[in-house]
Parts: sequence; structure tokens; C-alpha cells
Amino acid sequence: DIVMTQSPDSLAVSLGERATINCKSSQSVLYSSNNKNHLAWYQQKPGQPPKLLIYWASTRESGVPDRFSGSGSGTDFTLTISSLQAEDVAVYYCQQYYRTPYTFGQGTKLEIK
Amino acid sequence: EVQLLESGGGLVQPGGSLRLSCAASGFTFSNYAMSWVRQAPGKGLEWVSGISGSGGDTYYADYVKGRFTISRDNSKNTLYLQMSSLRAEDTAIYYCAKTRNYFDSSGYHYFFDYWGQGNLVTVSS
Repeated sequence: DIVMTQSPDSLAVSLGERATINCKSSQSVLYSSNNKNHLAWYQQKPGQPPKLLIYWASTRESGVPDRFSGSGSGTDFTLTISSLQAEDVAVYYCQQYYRTPYTFGQGTKLEIK
Repeated sequence: EVQLLESGGGLVQPGGSLRLSCAASGFTFSNYAMSWVRQAPGKGLEWVSGISGSGGDTYYADYVKGRFTISRDNSKNTLYLQMSSLRAEDTAIYYCAKTRNYFDSSGYHYFFDYWGQGNLVTVSS
């Protein structure tokens, strides 16, 4: 199985500041034939189901604010929130969809400092 | 508006069975793969199973293979998860998820664009 490891486990950032969450896969999730990274990011607020933010490592889902961006390739990926808003408090998960079983990172809890 | 409404969860004894349902609306159900993803209390997300739009292809995580069966009834816009030989470690909130499905020469690739509110399954004596 592909193991997804996120860092840090928790993060406290001031309002308006940048938040950066990292995700590392145990093997590459880049498919060379189409040059696509099979990596998605989700946001889960307390008591709610997850919400898709980013797919193909850097494609923002429709309706997601542009302060959210994804980057990286191969085994190392980053989710960046450029200017933290109060409503961004949540747990964030990365997920690989390169091969089954589709696996998630352990989650990063983002709080306001 | 996409809506996914799970039902069928509850308390079951170890070794018992339970069937979850997920009623879908707001999209053409048969055009989309669907999946089940679970979350143990206070823990992270774990993919359980997926099924193609036609129902002809199914996929399972090893930890449920042989015990869980995913199926769908496209005439009823409903997804199912039949769970048997349940164990304490199956205790979780089970989410059904509308699945974005991409196919290339390496096979199918699933990620999840809409999620239901979840249904709690508790396996305990």
C-alpha cells in the first residue's frame, strides 16, 4: 500500500498569515504517461464530512477560494492557504488515487494562533 | 444540488451483519462511480470500497475483502454496503461519496467530490 504521511500533525497560524501543510507519499504518485500526480486534498470541519479542495495535486475544485493552492510532484506535495481566514479552521487530509487501496494521510489540524 | 443520505447504521454485535444504504439525488447517479469511506471515532479517513457507474466493477480494501459487499441499484439511485462478520475495528462513521473516476492505461483512479453526512456503525457486545 502507498503510505501517505502529513506534516505537521497540527499547526497554529495567525489570521491573515500563510499556512503550509506537507504530504509525502511512500512511492511516486506521478503517472509518467500523462504527467499527472494522483493526489487530492480535503478539508474536514468539526462535525462535517470532508470537502474536496484540490485534485491532480494542483487543480482547485470549483467554488474553492483561490487562497487555497496545491503544489508538488512525485512524492512530495504541499497545500498552502495564502491568507488564513477563521473559517479555514479544520483538519486537512491528502489522498493518493494512483492505485488501490486509495490511502489518506493522517490529517493535519489547523487552528488559529 | 448533490445530496447523499446514508441510513442503516447502528449497534451490532461482533460477528453480526448490517446493510448501509445511500440515497443519491441531484445528479445522474448511473453516470458516476461511488465509494464508501470510513472514519473511526477521532481518527482519520480510510477508503473501504468503490463501484463503477454500471455496477460491473467493484474494488475493496484488503481489510474488508470477503466480508463487505458493495452494490448499487441505479433504478433507485441507491448505493449499498452489505457488511458481515463485523469486528470491533469496523466501528466508524461510514460515508458514501460520489466519486470522480479517471481511467488511463494503468487502470481506474478514484477521488471523492461529494460526501454524505455519514452513518455511525458501532460493533460491540
